Amino acid sequence: DGGITQSPKYLFRKEGQNVTLSCEQNLNHDAMYWYRQDPGQGLRLIYYSQIVNDFQKGDIAEGYSVSREKKESFPLTVTSAQKNPTAFYLCASSIHSGEQPGGYTFGSGTRLTVV
Amino acid sequence: GNSVTQMEGPVTLSEEAFLTINCTYTATGYPSLFWYVQYPGEGLQLLLKATKADDKGSNKGFEATYRKETTSFHLEKGSVQVSDSAVYFCALRRAAGNKLTFGGGTRVLVKP
Repeated sequence: DGGITQSPKYLFRKEGQNVTLSCEQNLNHDAMYWYRQDPGQGLRLIYYSQIVNDFQKGDIAEGYSVSREKKESFPLTVTSAQKNPTAFYLCASSIHSGEQPGGYTFGSGTRLTVV
Repeated sequence: GNSVTQMEGPVTLSEEAFLTINCTYTATGYPSLFWYVQYPGEGLQLLLKATKADDKGSNKGFEATYRKETTSFHLEKGSVQVSDSAVYFCALRRAAGNKLTFGGGTRVLVKP
């Protein structure tokens, strides 16, 4: 079955460390997205990529970095510059073209905790 | 710009009660409209969608009708269960090349 896989499900980071969250999809979707969700809050867009080797900042990109070297993969690095990284991170993908705008497919999320 | 406004939660209901979650939107043209559901500790799942005016999306007993005249897409379910406890997000997308615009989410708690 096609889908989008995030790993790990839980991640613990020491202060000052960089960590990378994995997101892989086998849906042949063009676009991929990273969101952050804080407890009881909505979704905030960190970065998105509409094609390979290209990505754009979302609303809260500071302290994060991404790459899009392959269509299937869109890893997110949470750097030490991100002052409050503890949150739930969601990856999503979608078709980027076509007449009818479809929705996104989401992964199951990675919960990052700074210890 | 585009925006989606949802009623604030939490919404607390008893089992078998009727659920309505209001959603209104602002967008030019004819966006597609979506409802997503997020169960505790999980990602978002597409619940239903509608792509043109007067379309009704339905799934798992939930329904929502695309009302162009009132720019609304209210979610309804006639008889909720404890398993419907989740956060519900309304969203719109103007075109395939555009990003989804999400509402802030509405937490629903169904008590036995």
